Amino acid sequence: AQRVTQPEKLLSVFKGAPVELKCNYSYSGSPELFWYVQYSRQRLQLLLRHISRESIKGFTADLNKGETSFHLKKPFAQEEDSAMYYCALLRGSTLGRLYFGRGTQLTVWP
Amino acid sequence: DAGVIQSPRHEVTEMGQEVTLRCKPISGHDYLFWYRQTMMRGLELLIYFNNNVPIDDSGMPEDRFSAKMPNASFSTLKIQPSEPRDSAVYFCASSFFPSEKLFFGSGTQLSVL
Repeated sequence: AQRVTQPEKLLSVFKGAPVELKCNYSYSGSPELFWYVQYSRQRLQLLLRHISRESIKGFTADLNKGETSFHLKKPFAQEEDSAMYYCALLRGSTLGRLYFGRGTQLTVWP
Repeated sequence: DAGVIQSPRHEVTEMGQEVTLRCKPISGHDYLFWYRQTMMRGLELLIYFNNNVPIDDSGMPEDRFSAKMPNASFSTLKIQPSEPRDSAVYFCASSFFPSEKLFFGSGTQLSVL
């Protein structure tokens, strides 16, 4: 069963434009959600987690339980934001229950 | 700390050959994960260990795949015999409870011809 859905495999925007990477999840319990990012030639790394309610590199993500969504947003995209972004869902309290979406490749054009 | 270390970075082999991927987790981490990344399926969890014990291997595709963790600082993922559809990037990641943050290695790009 698809637990995390990222509907866009590819997303392109121009520098300075707003960007939103979509993520929907399916889980009946209390989810914990994360965004991981993989820049070119770098390791996959944690970008932010919903529980922290933080803004990292200008990105924010709000958990919407009604819509079961955790979209990643940034008001003004930068070229250095070009990367592969993965939404991840932690089901339960065990680390091993971390499920990743299929990823969205974001390209920010100059 | 150099982070999670994987070897080799690239592996090209012929169908039917045995492939062994290696991983050294970050010292002190008690969880180790093996993921496979493909264009079609994204990032899939294959197996994970807690304190060197395999906890969930339900993601392992079939019997050709096996993973071991003989000690806290080393794990292997073996494919025998390898097939072209096994071509993918294989990632190892580690973490420590109760943090949910995973630290990933650089991955092994496997090509089976």
